[in-house]
Amino acid sequence: QVQLVQSGAEVKKPGASVKVSCKASGYTFTSYDINWVRQATGQGLEWMGWMNPNSGNTGYAQKFQGRVTMTRNTSISTAYMELSSLRSEDTAVYYCARDLPAAAVDFDYWGQGTLVTVSS
Amino acid sequence: SYELTQPPSVSVSPGQTASITCSGDKLGDKYACWYQQKPGQSPVLVIYQDSKRPSGIPERFSGSNSGNTATLTISGTQAMDEADYYCQAWDNNTVVFGGGTKLTVL
Repeated sequence: QVQLVQSGAEVKKPGASVKVSCKASGYTFTSYDINWVRQATGQGLEWMGWMNPNSGNTGYAQKFQGRVTMTRNTSISTAYMELSSLRSEDTAVYYCARDLPAAAVDFDYWGQGTLVTVSS
Repeated sequence: SYELTQPPSVSVSPGQTASITCSGDKLGDKYACWYQQKPGQSPVLVIYQDSKRPSGIPERFSGSNSGNTATLTISGTQAMDEADYYCQAWDNNTVVFGGGTKLTVL
């Protein structure tokens, strides 16, 4: 069965960087785009960007341009999202999600989420 | 930037029909999808490409999209359907989520 398993919770200081991993199993990793979405406590979903695991091509939301980097290691079917220059407002649960291959963008499988806390 | 607007909350009695709307400029020209999220859990796709149901999603969930509004309809609402619901669309190479609607079954 398809699974996306993310790395554990992180606590970071303002100005630091965080790198979250998302290990895929149960399907061909390189055949589906991976997206990253975050959610602050009690707030809605916020899209951060996408990555094509086959080509490595990426697209980032304008809000995160210059601060986010999405990469992958195809040998271990793992996607990564690194966010730099962290500030308190970046405290949130970060999700990876697989894009259903179709004419639209729909996320059919999600990771369990990784809580990133930014605090001095 | 493109925006999707949802009502913050919707209430429904058990067994009745719940409708949650999502409004955006010419949304009907794009594909819309819907996610259900229960407290402490990851979102679950319940409707994609306007009206398709993923495998495992009950038939009581349906969707439509026309004009400026996409609608998620839950027929015969059950207590287990109480959750937050988010619409989502793709515009100008950007994924956009609605603000979410809390569905209360009472």
